[in-house]
Amino acid sequence: DTGVSQNPRHKITKRGQNVTFRCDPISEHNRLYWYRQTLGQGPEFLTYFQNEAQLEKSRLLSDRFSAERPKGSFSTLEIQRTEQGDSAMYLCASSYRGGPPYEQYFGPGTRLTVT
Amino acid sequence: DAKTTQPTSMDCAEGRAANLPCNHSTISGNEYVYWYRQIHSQGPQYIIHGLKNNETNEMASLIITEDRKSSTLILPHATLRDTAVYYCIVRVILRNTDKLIFGTGTRLQVFP
Repeated sequence: DTGVSQNPRHKITKRGQNVTFRCDPISEHNRLYWYRQTLGQGPEFLTYFQNEAQLEKSRLLSDRFSAERPKGSFSTLEIQRTEQGDSAMYLCASSYRGGPPYEQYFGPGTRLTVT
Repeated sequence: DAKTTQPTSMDCAEGRAANLPCNHSTISGNEYVYWYRQIHSQGPQYIIHGLKNNETNEMASLIITEDRKSSTLILPHATLRDTAVYYCIVRVILRNTDKLIFGTGTRLQVFP
């Protein structure tokens, strides 16, 4: 168990560019989540996958945001035409479905800075 | 969605118990109370969770009131490494929903 990994750890981009982040969950975890955290605030839920199915998307996830989880393994979060307001820490978490609710394990996050 | 209310900050002397309160007066019967903490620039770390019974693990104890409208996280012997932001969270799990709803957290400062 190597934990949840996220790449890249830091990303600086210019406004209007597209960016893509990757999350590798803990193996055998079939649930995967994306959250966004701005400075001084708690993380906010963005979206949730069970296996490859995206079951819920927050209204925070505008049309410029898209998330995928092909084959129910790793996940990508893409932001198109980035805006300065997209600057934040993007956190990925995974958990195992079955029995009592298991905790969500978080990765270290990807810090996005839009200039 | 249920929300939580926590003090903005608290101090605790090293070696003493840290008691972190949380109000979640609108929590529903199928929503769990979770506690996570976050050390600067790291991802949140799971501490403990409960539904209606008190819980204890190697890190902490969770005391939930009988009406489930509030809870307290207890770190029995705080150390300097426990300095972090502590989040009291409601987890909503329904058929097609599974999400943690974070508040703004309590910044706990443990001093020597």
